[in-house]
Amino acid sequence: NAGVTQTPKFRVLKTGQSMTLLCAQDMNHEYMYWYRQDPGMGLRLIHYSVGEGTTAKGEVPDGYNVSRLKKQNFLLGLESAAPSQTSVYFCASSYSHNQPQHFGDGTRLSIL
Amino acid sequence: AQKITQTQPGMFVQEKEAVTLDCTYDTSDPSYGLFWYKQPSSGEMIFLIYQGSYDQQNATEGRYSLNFQKARKSANLVISASQLGDSAMYFCAYSGAGSYQLTFGKGTKLSVIP
Repeated sequence: NAGVTQTPKFRVLKTGQSMTLLCAQDMNHEYMYWYRQDPGMGLRLIHYSVGEGTTAKGEVPDGYNVSRLKKQNFLLGLESAAPSQTSVYFCASSYSHNQPQHFGDGTRLSIL
Repeated sequence: AQKITQTQPGMFVQEKEAVTLDCTYDTSDPSYGLFWYKQPSSGEMIFLIYQGSYDQQNATEGRYSLNFQKARKSANLVISASQLGDSAMYFCAYSGAGSYQLTFGKGTKLSVIP
C-alpha cells in the first residue's frame, strides 16, 4: 500500500534552474496539496487541487506552478529556482476537505 | 485568518507516563476540524487523530486522545503510556469549513526519557 509517493527524495539545484517534483497517490483521493516546511515552522500550503484539471493558490504560491492532468498525479514546478526555495516539500492528499490529509515522505530541495 | 498556537517548543516525559501537548486556536468559523500530526526525525508526517467541531465526544485513537474544549478553543493531545518511539515533533493543525488548507502550528518537540 504505497499511499502518497513523492519523487525525487533529494535534489540540489543551481539558482535559475528549473525542475518538477512529482506526487502520485493511489487512494483515489480528489484533493491534493503541496506544502513546504522550513526550519522551526509548520507546513505552509503552496498550491492545491480539488479534482482532476483544477488547481488553486495556497498561502505561498509565488515562484511555483502546478498541474493536475490525472487524478492520481499532482506536479509542482519551479521555473527559475531561487535560494529562498530551499526547503522540504510535502505532497498530501485527502478524500475531501476537512478530512485527514495523508502525506508523502517529502522532498528535500537545496538551491545553491 | 485562523491562528494555531502551540506554546510548548519542547517537552520531556518519562517513559510509560502520560503527557499533554497544548494547542489553542483562534477562529470565528462555525464548523471546523482539528488534527494532530507526528513528525519523527526521519521526516515523514503521520496523521494521528481528528476532532470535528460538532463532535460531542473527544476523539480517541489507541494511546492518543484529544482533549477538546470548544469554549476555550483548545485541542490538546494526550499521549498515554509514553514510549521511546513517541519522541518526535508534534503538530496541531486547523481546517475551516470554507478552506481547503490545513493551518499548522509551529510544533512541539517531545522527548521520551527511558
